[in-house]
Amino acid sequence: NAGVTQTPKFRILKIGQSMTLQCTQDMNHNYMYWYRQDPGMGLKLIYYSVGAGITDKGEVPNGYNVSRSTTEDFPLRLELAAPSQTSVYFCASRDGLAKNIQYFGAGTRLSVL
Amino acid sequence: GQQVMQIPQYQHVQEGEDFTTYCNSSTTLSNIQWYKQRPGGHPVFLIQLVKSGEVKKQKRLTFQFGEAKKNSSLHITATQTTDVGTYFCAGPRNTGKLIFGQGTTLQVKP
Repeated sequence: NAGVTQTPKFRILKIGQSMTLQCTQDMNHNYMYWYRQDPGMGLKLIYYSVGAGITDKGEVPNGYNVSRSTTEDFPLRLELAAPSQTSVYFCASRDGLAKNIQYFGAGTRLSVL
Repeated sequence: GQQVMQIPQYQHVQEGEDFTTYCNSSTTLSNIQWYKQRPGGHPVFLIQLVKSGEVKKQKRLTFQFGEAKKNSSLHITATQTTDVGTYFCAGPRNTGKLIFGQGTTLQVKP
């Protein structure tokens, strides 16, 4: 039972590089989310999606882009990486029914140097 | 805007002592959730409270939702080293989003 799978687990980027963080879920959930977590801090919502083809900004969207072409996949794109984007990134999903439980992936630890 | 605050930010206890973390929302919540994140891990759902004044127990963990549905608490009785981690409360926002508190990090000295 895979749940929410994120790749890669770790990545080091140079300033100005780009990369895509992958997230896929096998639970047929409509809702998917991207969060970032800075050391000792809570979770900040970057982008979210309520279904394939629909995405919207969260609290901290600047410097990021997303797409949702399928129910399963919700990649997060970093363009022109900056040191301020050093963080742990979590993808999550939920099924959209009464219980609002979010299921998280294991995270991607990103350093921008 | 809507805010969810948690206190304390950090708590160090001796194994066997009790621990409590408090969560306060600036607005009334339809429900509140609690998640646990082990060091180096990802948040994992613990419980959801829906009713005013609701109290739920999971072994040594007791969760409470305030009468006004604006605050909540998590109490751990007789902490163990396996309780180490960060505990987050989260309240619903519109469009299926959650707003998370900053979390309380619990350290347990054996």
